[in-house]
Amino acid sequence: KNEVEQSPQNLTAQEGEFITINCSYSVGISALHWLQQHPGGGIVSLFMLSSGKKKHGRLIATINIQEKHSSLHITASHPRDSAVYICAVYISSGSARQLTFGSGTQLTVLP
Amino acid sequence: DAGVIQSPRHEVTEMGQEVTLRCKPISGHNSLFWYRQTMMRGLELLIYFNNNVPIDDSGMPEDRFSAKMPNASFSTLKIQPSEPRDSAVYFCASRVFGDLFFGEGSRLTVL
Repeated sequence: KNEVEQSPQNLTAQEGEFITINCSYSVGISALHWLQQHPGGGIVSLFMLSSGKKKHGRLIATINIQEKHSSLHITASHPRDSAVYICAVYISSGSARQLTFGSGTQLTVLP
Repeated sequence: DAGVIQSPRHEVTEMGQEVTLRCKPISGHNSLFWYRQTMMRGLELLIYFNNNVPIDDSGMPEDRFSAKMPNASFSTLKIQPSEPRDSAVYFCASRVFGDLFFGEGSRLTVL
């Protein structure tokens, strides 16, 4: 079983819809990243959070440490939001503070 | 700042050849990561440097892979000899205070 699980794997939405992508992890973590990878391949870190909620424009990320769960929400989705969204965690234990990645969610927003 | 700079962006080589990928992190960032992305395995950490010192190289697949960071502004990832299964996109990322910045990636194809 992967330490980081994302759902759904694929998501197609109509422009304007509210979107939620989920991330569950099975280990203790110190922080979590949400990453965005566009079709061209570049990766951008959208959020890093260790508790509560963060908001940037139409994007909202939440994390519940007790339940080992995080969500990424996109309000008023737009075709330019089409990308792969990757959840990645810093595992608390271990020799290094390095990221363990989920397999990603492919989001397609149709006009 | 220009961001994390990787070169080459694309490399096509023949099996058995030596490949060197290069990375210039963002000035002032004290951590540098090399990641590999494939369709089958997604993103994986290869090696992580902190203040130019390799901290965790447990992700390096085998002895054919080596990485160096001779100074704070330059790192290399070398594969010798290369094999077709090394074909992937190799990302370099640098970090300061948790914010993580990725380069555009180097797409390697080994024929």
